[in-house]
Amino acid sequence: DTEVTQTPKHLVMGMTNKKSLKCEQHMGHRAMYWYKQKAKKPPELMFVYSYEKLSINESVPSRFSPECPNSSLLNLHLHALQPEDSALYLCASSQDSDKGVSYGQYFGPGTRLTVT
Amino acid sequence: KQEVTQIPAALSVPEGENLVLNCSFTDSAIYNLQWFRQDPGKGLTSLLLIQSSQREQTSGRLNASLDKSSGRSTLYIAASQPGDSATYLCAVIGPNAGGTSYGKLTFGQGTILTVHP
Repeated sequence: DTEVTQTPKHLVMGMTNKKSLKCEQHMGHRAMYWYKQKAKKPPELMFVYSYEKLSINESVPSRFSPECPNSSLLNLHLHALQPEDSALYLCASSQDSDKGVSYGQYFGPGTRLTVT
Repeated sequence: KQEVTQIPAALSVPEGENLVLNCSFTDSAIYNLQWFRQDPGKGLTSLLLIQSSQREQTSGRLNASLDKSSGRSTLYIAASQPGDSATYLCAVIGPNAGGTSYGKLTFGQGTILTVHP
């Protein structure tokens, strides 16, 4: 199994809603990532989890709250989002994220989020 | 701060042509370089991963080279097909601002490739 899965594929939510994005991988990877991608732009890193602990938060607003319940799962909890948060949210995983890492990252299909 | 540049921004070729996509990066202290393909509205598909100690990688009709000292990589696509039409992204992995490595990918802006029949 070399796949990263994400659910849902599409999500429409109002600015007062609370929703969650889910990501799962069964490759035994110990690093997992959330990226945000706006149209015609490259992905931007949001969070990195290494061995189920938050390693990097790229100054992401608190209305985005990541969670890593176990080594295979990564969630992104959304609350009080703004219309400008509408984007494609991508999850990725890699074999390791310690210093000297030389492994690539593997991406899921993404969740298309629209905030109304 | 690492910066990655891809040239050209867009490329349109007839089917069957061999083509080269270029990627340059400003900081040679990378751990590896990865080429991705992205179809509209979809996720990223990893095409090739080149370790910093390697010079090139090949997969089918794709060949990627890496010249770490000059900060350059090229992706060569042989005998292009309409199904190759997509955005191609180059990304490097290196140390984060704290000096440790957390697999922080820095992406180029991408090359939009169109292969017409």
